[in-house]
Amino acid sequence: DGGITQSPKYLFRKEGQNVTLSCEQNLNHDAMYWYRQDPGQGLRLIYYSQIVNDFQKGDIAEGYSVSREKKESFPLTVTSAQKNPTAFYLCASSLRGLAGDEQYFGPGTRLTVT
Amino acid sequence: AQKITQTQPGMFVQEKEAVTLDCTYDTSDQSYGLFWYKQPSSGEMIFLIYQGSYDEQNATEGRYSLNFQKARKSANLVISASQLGDSAMYFCAMREGPGGTSYGKLTFGQGTILTVHP
Repeated sequence: DGGITQSPKYLFRKEGQNVTLSCEQNLNHDAMYWYRQDPGQGLRLIYYSQIVNDFQKGDIAEGYSVSREKKESFPLTVTSAQKNPTAFYLCASSLRGLAGDEQYFGPGTRLTVT
Repeated sequence: AQKITQTQPGMFVQEKEAVTLDCTYDTSDQSYGLFWYKQPSSGEMIFLIYQGSYDEQNATEGRYSLNFQKARKSANLVISASQLGDSAMYFCAMREGPGGTSYGKLTFGQGTILTVHP
């Protein structure tokens, strides 16, 4: 089945540690995205990538890093510089990143940092 | 400035009744797309309906329809014949098209929690 996988579903880390969230898609989509969602809030864009080896900062990129070495994969690293990393992280992809392209979302990863 | 505004933090509806969830947006682009997503308590984001800025007809998908009023910059979601399973958070989102500075980015509203009563 085609879709987006994110692992793990729940992740716990100690403060000061970097952590990498996985996102893989087998939809052959060019564009991929990372969003952050805080309780009771909408989604905010962290990073997005429209082609391999290229990515742009979203609205809240500070404290995060990404790579796009393969079309299928867009891992997100939450660094120790991120002040409030505890949140729900959603990965998405779309065919080309154009205005009419639907974004398909993964199931999300809930990150808790203590 | 807020690009997507959902003014209803919470809405209640009786099962089998229709409900309208409000969404207004702000853009100077001529080409853009408007989306509605449903987020159940499990956290997944489920695509419901899409309206392109050049589409002349209002979009419909089963029990969902989008009341698109371009001049007023509103894109309200109408759910007909509400079901208990419709209880969830609903997000309106916009992607600005080619030529805009935010090409490729989806901007979300704050969401509306819909509760369907039996």
